[in-house]
Amino acid sequence: KNQVEQSPQSLIILEGKNCTLQCNYTVSPFSNLRWYKQDTGRGPVSLTIMTFSENTKSNGRYTATLDADTKQSSLHITASQLSDSASYICVVSAKGGNNRLAFGKGNQVVVIP
Amino acid sequence: DAGITQSPRYKITETGRQVTLMCHQTWSHSYMFWYRQDLGHGLRLIYYSAAADITDKGEVPDGYVVSRSKTENFPLTLESATRSQTSVYFCASMIGFPDTQYFGPGTRLTVL
Repeated sequence: KNQVEQSPQSLIILEGKNCTLQCNYTVSPFSNLRWYKQDTGRGPVSLTIMTFSENTKSNGRYTATLDADTKQSSLHITASQLSDSASYICVVSAKGGNNRLAFGKGNQVVVIP
Repeated sequence: DAGITQSPRYKITETGRQVTLMCHQTWSHSYMFWYRQDLGHGLRLIYYSAAADITDKGEVPDGYVVSRSKTENFPLTLESATRSQTSVYFCASMIGFPDTQYFGPGTRLTVL
């Protein structure tokens, strides 16, 4: 069972509109959660990192939220641009002796003019 | 300021051949990783290394071999390539756990 579930799997949005991507996880004990952006044909690039005590963090038009109690995170894209077309991957780190990273399968976003 | 590089970027090989994918990072990061990315599966960890001469299996290690004699290099070898190993391979590095991973540009491997 995948410990990181992302939804929706894919979505198409009009340029200028907002969208929200979801990440639910069961990884424990939680260390941090990262959102990566992967453009087609390239490696993923980190957008934000959320630690246990953080609820919201912004990076330009990207805003990530974290609810550590419900083990949910979201990534909100404001005023989408064509360059936002990409896959967004949620990665959760577990701490302790069993250091590990759990990857979601990604949210595929397509922004159309 | 090369960062993390992979070579080759594209490779076509035949079933049964040995193939080595190279990964080089210029930051002296302790951790290095190899992932494969396939449609419907996302990124899956093949092997990782916490430091030179220390490697460990990930989720899908069968058919792959790694080594890390130097901190900056982490080659991945397919000893006898199979069609199921057709994929895009990403190398990544990390200063320490659990910091940000920095990914290479990927190698697209096709096994005929």
